[in-house]
Amino acid sequence: EAGVTQFPSHSVIEKGQTVTLRCDPISGHDNLYWYRRVMGKEIKFLLHFVKESKQDESGMPNNRFLAERTGGTYSTLKVQPAELEDSGVYFCASSRTGLHQPQHFGDGTRLSIL
Amino acid sequence: GNSVTQMEGPVTLSEEAFLTINCTYTATGYPSLFWYVQYPGEGLQLLLKATKADDKGSNKGFEATYRKETTSFHLEKGSVQVSDSAVYFCALSEKGGYNKLIFGAGTRLAVHP
Repeated sequence: EAGVTQFPSHSVIEKGQTVTLRCDPISGHDNLYWYRRVMGKEIKFLLHFVKESKQDESGMPNNRFLAERTGGTYSTLKVQPAELEDSGVYFCASSRTGLHQPQHFGDGTRLSIL
Repeated sequence: GNSVTQMEGPVTLSEEAFLTINCTYTATGYPSLFWYVQYPGEGLQLLLKATKADDKGSNKGFEATYRKETTSFHLEKGSVQVSDSAVYFCALSEKGGYNKLIFGAGTRLAVHP
């Protein structure tokens, strides 16, 4: 099966601009997660979709971040306007529903804010 | 809140050396525990997992045992290879393993010939 796909792999934008990251989960995976790793620190949870619904968005840092998953397939994460502290690697993961189902990660999008 | 603490890196070893990367956790209830690995230029891959106390996860020669009494999940390998060079992340999942993961800061391992 195809893995989790993220696009773009790398994005460089200026402070104040808008960037949209995309994640295509593994087909059939209802759960979709966004995480980010800032400056070599721990990977932190941002939010969790179950199909098209936001199950948990407790990790979203502020209202400059907007995540969507229309139709319950791919997801987008928009940052508007981007700030310097938003730089980092954004990971997407997906999993089936059920006990002990592992999360499968994409390669991540490296976001650099200048 | 729940958290994961793992030893700081980098860890530098010679090929065929024994590896231990320490991981301890703080959690309420009975979390599932994971080790993920990130090879250079790649995404995170699940290396192994354990879902209850005294379970041992194993894969590719790596092992980790879920120790509830010491709240630990240390990663071990008896003989490392150059190809094991990567960043290793310890993580826990609340509510049985299908909710959000809480990660440690990661430990970079460099293995030299």
